[in-house]
Amino acid sequence: AAGVIQSPRHLIKEKRETATLKCYPIPRHDTVYWYQQGPGQDPQFLISFYEKMQSDKGSIPDRFSAQQFSDYHSELNMSSLELGDSALYFCASSLFRFRTEQYFGPGTRLTVT
Amino acid sequence: AQTVTQSQPEMSVQEAETVTLSCTYDTSENNYYLFWYKQPPSRQMILVIRQEAYKQQNATENRFSVNFQKAAKSFSLKISDSQLGDTAMYFCAFMKHVAPGGSQGNLIFGKGTKLSVKP
Repeated sequence: AAGVIQSPRHLIKEKRETATLKCYPIPRHDTVYWYQQGPGQDPQFLISFYEKMQSDKGSIPDRFSAQQFSDYHSELNMSSLELGDSALYFCASSLFRFRTEQYFGPGTRLTVT
Repeated sequence: AQTVTQSQPEMSVQEAETVTLSCTYDTSENNYYLFWYKQPPSRQMILVIRQEAYKQQNATENRFSVNFQKAAKSFSLKISDSQLGDTAMYFCAFMKHVAPGGSQGNLIFGKGTKLSVKP
C-alpha cells in the first residue's frame, strides 16, 4: 500500500539559509499534519491543512510557513534557519473524517550547521 | 491545556516476557482519544494501538493491550511475549475529540519510554 512520502530524506543547511520540505500524502487523504521532533524529544505539532486551508496551528515559528496544494501535497518552508531548527520533521496524513487514523511519513532530517 | 506524562524514560525486558509502559494525562475534556506510537531506530512513527475515551473496553492488538482508567487518567500499554523487534521508543499521545468546532486532529505526545528487549 502507498505510504506518505517525504522529500528530501536528509537536508543539510547553514544558518540563515532557507529550506523547503515536501510531503506527499497517501492517495485520497485530504488532511496533512506537520510535526517537529528535536534530538531526544517528543514530536511537537506545527501545523495542519485540510482541503488546502490551514486547519490548526501549533508551535510553528513565524520564520516557517506551509501550504497545501491542489493535489494535496504540502510544503513546509523554513527561512532564516537557526541551529535549533535541526530536527526530524514528520508529515502525517489522514482523511479528514478519520483524523484519528494518521499515517506518518519517514521524516526529513534537517541539520543546520 | 492537555499534557501527557510518561514517567519511565527507559525500560528493559527479557525476550518472551511481559512489560507494561505507563502513561498518565491531564485534560478537562470528556471525549478524547489516546494512542501508543512506536518509534524504532529507523525513526519511523508507527501506530501501535488506539483507545476512544467513550469506550470502556480496553483496546487490544495482538500482543499489545492497554489498561485505560479514565477516572485516574491513566493509559498503560502491556506488551506480551516481547520480541526483539519491539525494541523502540514508545510514545503515548492524546487527541481531543474531533468534533465540528473541536480538535482538528493534532496529537500531543509524551516524552517517550525507551524499551529494550534483551535476548
